[in-house]
Amino acid sequence: AQSVTQPDIHITVSEGASLELRCNYSYGATPYLFWYVQSPGQGLQLLLKYFSGDTLVQGIKGFEAEFKRSQSSFNLRKPSVHWSDAAEYFCAVVSRGGSNYKLTFGKGTLLTVNP
Amino acid sequence: DTGVSQDPRHKITKRGQNVTFRCDPISEHNRLYWYRQTLGQGPEFLTYFQNEAQLEKSRLLSDRFSAERPKGSFSTLEIQRTEQGDSAMYLCASSFPGVSGANVLTFGAGSRLTVL
Repeated sequence: AQSVTQPDIHITVSEGASLELRCNYSYGATPYLFWYVQSPGQGLQLLLKYFSGDTLVQGIKGFEAEFKRSQSSFNLRKPSVHWSDAAEYFCAVVSRGGSNYKLTFGKGTLLTVNP
Repeated sequence: DTGVSQDPRHKITKRGQNVTFRCDPISEHNRLYWYRQTLGQGPEFLTYFQNEAQLEKSRLLSDRFSAERPKGSFSTLEIQRTEQGDSAMYLCASSFPGVSGANVLTFGAGSRLTVL
């Protein structure tokens, strides 16, 4: 069955520290890959996406993600976390081909940033 | 472009009542989606419209749920005879047509439903 796994439910980092949030997917072929962020009381905001090409993609707010086909992973990184990055982060995928419209989300990783 | 708007933002209702949520997508987006998000979970797909046509409904969408998108503009999601298990955040999203554009969803802030 197709699935998206975010192994870490909750991560706490200190402000200024580096961050890596993990995402693994299980699909027949490489899907389109996304990271969204959700602040309390807010909708989801797109951070970055991978469709094809360079496997290291840059997003907004200083985030980047690296697609690794051999590991079926699309981990999100940031070199120096700011207090405003505290939020919930969701990895999501869409199957290629067909109607390719249905976004499937992981369960999310809640990020806490300590001062 | 004012983004995707959802109304109301919060709704508290008693079990057995009907509720309706409205979503106004970005005007040039022809695709509209409803998702449901419960505590500790990622959003789950409910249904999808292309223009006014409802092209897919998830098994999560029981017969108490109905969604419409008259004239291919705004959409409504109605829940009849609400149950406590319906308590969730209901998210609406829209997207551009086209191969790559169809995959990039813009989400609204959501409508939070609490059923007492």
